[in-house]
Amino acid sequence: NAGVTQTPKFQVLKTGQSMTLQCAQDMNHEYMSWYRQDPGMGLRLIHYSVGAGITDQGEVPNGYNVSRSTTEDFPLRLLSAAPSQTSVYFCASIKGGGLYGYTFGSGTRLTVV
Amino acid sequence: AQTVTQSQPEMSVQEAETVTLSCTYDTSESDYYLFWYKQPPSRQMILVIRQEAYKQQNATENRFSVNFQKAAKSFSLKISDSQLGDAAMYFCAYRTPYGTASKLTFGTGTRLQVTL
Repeated sequence: NAGVTQTPKFQVLKTGQSMTLQCAQDMNHEYMSWYRQDPGMGLRLIHYSVGAGITDQGEVPNGYNVSRSTTEDFPLRLLSAAPSQTSVYFCASIKGGGLYGYTFGSGTRLTVV
Repeated sequence: AQTVTQSQPEMSVQEAETVTLSCTYDTSESDYYLFWYKQPPSRQMILVIRQEAYKQQNATENRFSVNFQKAAKSFSLKISDSQLGDAAMYFCAYRTPYGTASKLTFGTGTRLQVTL
């Protein structure tokens, strides 16, 4: 019962590089989301998925891609990293409707130089 | 679109005292859920308490309780008998329960300091 597992925990990228943040959950949750956390701005939704094969944009999707080929995995891809993408990224999942809070991963601190 | 406002960027409380963190939200929905999350320095997001909008009774979890005022769209968190381990960022969040709208909208957070 690992919950939501995010890797890596820390990453430094150079401007223009690409990378994938991994997220996996073992709770058979339908919904998965990616948030970014910036000082003074709370957590903002990047992309989300309501099930395998279904994804949609959140509040701040530009510069990021996602896919959901399985229920368990929901990777976030940075296509060409920019300093504005320096942030802490959280993956979260939830079982479905109802009074459930999201289960969050431990976060990835990304720095783009 | 729903918005969540936390107007107190920082709060301070003495150990064993009580503190209340404020949260207001804007929505046109009648049914929704509200949450308080705690984020300690470890960065982990921890669910503290949750409230269903159609329930008038305020939720309580041990030393944590909420004051939910639906008409005023207010959802404050009260921490009683504050402990050093309560020091953290606290986020208020809103969620609609239906279908693809199962997204959390967060406030900007309140940093709580606990002093001896």
